[in-house]
Amino acid sequence: GIQVEQSPPDLILQEGANSTLRCNFSDSVNNLQWFHQNPWGQLINLFYIPSGTKQNGRLSATTVATERYSLLYISSSQTTDSGVYFCAVVGRGADGLTFGKGTHLIIQP
Amino acid sequence: KAGVTQTPRYLIKTRGQQVTLSCSPISGHRSVSWYQQTPGQGLQFLFEYFSETQRNKGNFPGRFSGRQFSNSRSEMNVSTLELGDSALYLCASSPQTGLSGANVLTFGAGSRLTVL
Repeated sequence: GIQVEQSPPDLILQEGANSTLRCNFSDSVNNLQWFHQNPWGQLINLFYIPSGTKQNGRLSATTVATERYSLLYISSSQTTDSGVYFCAVVGRGADGLTFGKGTHLIIQP
Repeated sequence: KAGVTQTPRYLIKTRGQQVTLSCSPISGHRSVSWYQQTPGQGLQFLFEYFSETQRNKGNFPGRFSGRQFSNSRSEMNVSTLELGDSALYLCASSPQTGLSGANVLTFGAGSRLTVL
């Protein structure tokens, strides 16, 4: 099945800093989503972005499908941005989302 | 608009028992899918139900089963519990079945199962 790799696995930043999270996938995808999991386990959908660029406030994402990667940008980080960020894809012929192992982000005040 | 509701939020069982978890999707959503999250394996797809029919299934043993009712509410059942079944079980709903198109999932808060 399709492989999803996220980097970095862990990231510690000061409040106000910017960050870039990366997601590489091993095959063509027709669905790619970014999620944020808060400390209580709730997964929140950030972007549906199988290709192109989207922005939502301080967050933006870009997927270059031909090169099989996606980037999530967080600007002016706040402590509430802490948590685990997951990239999830649906490969050709697959039915469920395949998740990466996530990037654990800690924003320190 | 109410979100995806999962019950119970926490439960403790012993090996050999069985457990049933419930998921109520967002009103109007007809697809419900289930995921298991463990520290070792991460997030893994269990199965998806649409219009009371299982549409897709992940790579899990037959002890894991589910069903969907006419009001789109779904239940998943794990029989003969093993220690390794301890996990956060997440349910997600979406308007349509399958994930090949622009079908965005909304997740519930999860049910955390501990098997002793």
